[in-house]
Amino acid sequence: AQSVTQLGSHVSVSEGALVLLRCNYSSSVPPYLFWYVQYPNQGLQLLLKYTSAATLVKGINGFEAEFKKSETSFHLTKPSAHMSDAAEYFCAVSASGGYSTLTFGKGTMLLVSP
Amino acid sequence: GAVVSQHPSRVICKSGTSVKIECRSLDFQATTMFWYRQFPKQSLMLMATSNEGSKATYEQGVEKDKFLINHASLTLSTLTVTSAHPEDSSFYICSAFGRGSTDTQYFGPGTRLTVL
Repeated sequence: AQSVTQLGSHVSVSEGALVLLRCNYSSSVPPYLFWYVQYPNQGLQLLLKYTSAATLVKGINGFEAEFKKSETSFHLTKPSAHMSDAAEYFCAVSASGGYSTLTFGKGTMLLVSP
Repeated sequence: GAVVSQHPSRVICKSGTSVKIECRSLDFQATTMFWYRQFPKQSLMLMATSNEGSKATYEQGVEKDKFLINHASLTLSTLTVTSAHPEDSSFYICSAFGRGSTDTQYFGPGTRLTVL
């Protein structure tokens, strides 16, 4: 069984500030981990994924995430927030890659102020 | 990257009617497609998983006679909401996985269903 916990339903940052969105997972097998972004009334766009290769994963739009097995975490970061980063972010876990079921966290809304 | 489309993007129907939502993988063959439902300001809940040419596997609590899923080809899956009621109003999102999708599920843009 797998689960994802995203700490903080809302995170507010100023433009140019560091973005940190937290994700902790639980998995009985080595996990595949994903971060998706959702803009209002749209589907999900893949930001990045961890599939047991490098623990530091770089994604699109300047985002990256680090897999830390000892902490069961996969936090998403971006050095400098842009206004266009304001959206809902979902962390997800699966047991064996894209063909298996994704379990999503509840999401974190990122708010960026000027 | 892999592209998944959904049609329609928005639909309004009367209570008691049926609505069909299409999910297409445009540039890869989707051996597996997933259907999710998302309530306002909530996460995605998996409804069912369909493999091409097979019957869909429904999650616990999802009525398979109400939410009919067909995955007849490697590029198309359909979700039909039968005898829709206002409580079926939601945002429905599909995702697809298959050859050429690099071990990742790619999501469609979603369909907003409103049942009056």
